[in-house]
Amino acid sequence: DGGITQSPKYLFRKEGQNVTLSCEQNLNHDAMYWYRQDPGQGLRLIYYSQIVNDFQKGDIAEGYSVSREKKESFPLTVTSAQKNPTAFYLCASTETGILGDQPQHFGDGTRLSIL
Amino acid sequence: AQKVTQAQTEISVVEKEDVTLDCVYETRDTTYYLFWYKQPPSGELVFLIRRNSFDEQNEISGRYSWNFQKSTSSFNFTITASQVVDSAVYFCALMAGGGADGLTFGKGTHLIIQP
Repeated sequence: DGGITQSPKYLFRKEGQNVTLSCEQNLNHDAMYWYRQDPGQGLRLIYYSQIVNDFQKGDIAEGYSVSREKKESFPLTVTSAQKNPTAFYLCASTETGILGDQPQHFGDGTRLSIL
Repeated sequence: AQKVTQAQTEISVVEKEDVTLDCVYETRDTTYYLFWYKQPPSGELVFLIRRNSFDEQNEISGRYSWNFQKSTSSFNFTITASQVVDSAVYFCALMAGGGADGLTFGKGTHLIIQP
């Protein structure tokens, strides 16, 4: 079945450590997104990519980095510069990133915690 | 800039009652899209509906209905004859400006349906 796969489901980070969250989609979607969700809050956009080898900062990009080397993959690295990384991270994709009329499909999320 | 406000943080009703979730949005764009997503306890986001700014027709899908009113910048969601399985966090979201920069989410409404 087509969909978005995020891994791992749970992740723990030590102080000063970088960690990478995986996001893979087999929907052949052009655009991919990373959101962060904090308890009692809505989702906030971290980074997005409309096409391979191109990505843009969202509202809260500081302390994060991404790459888009393949259409189906959009990994997110939480760097040591991100001082409050504990959150639920959701990856999304959409068929056409510029028309705005297609719903975003979401993965099941990765819950990141600090040790 | 876009903004979505879901003033109801939490709503609790008894099963079979009708319940309305409010959503008010702000945007300067004339073309935009509104979405509702459901987030069950498992965490994934489930797409419910998409509405564009030129279509003010209300929509009904089974027990779900949506009331879009541009005059009040509102896109409210009603569940008729609620069921325990409807318990979840519901997010209203806005995409404007061509959709390039992802969705702007409200903070969500936690709906609790008591048996």
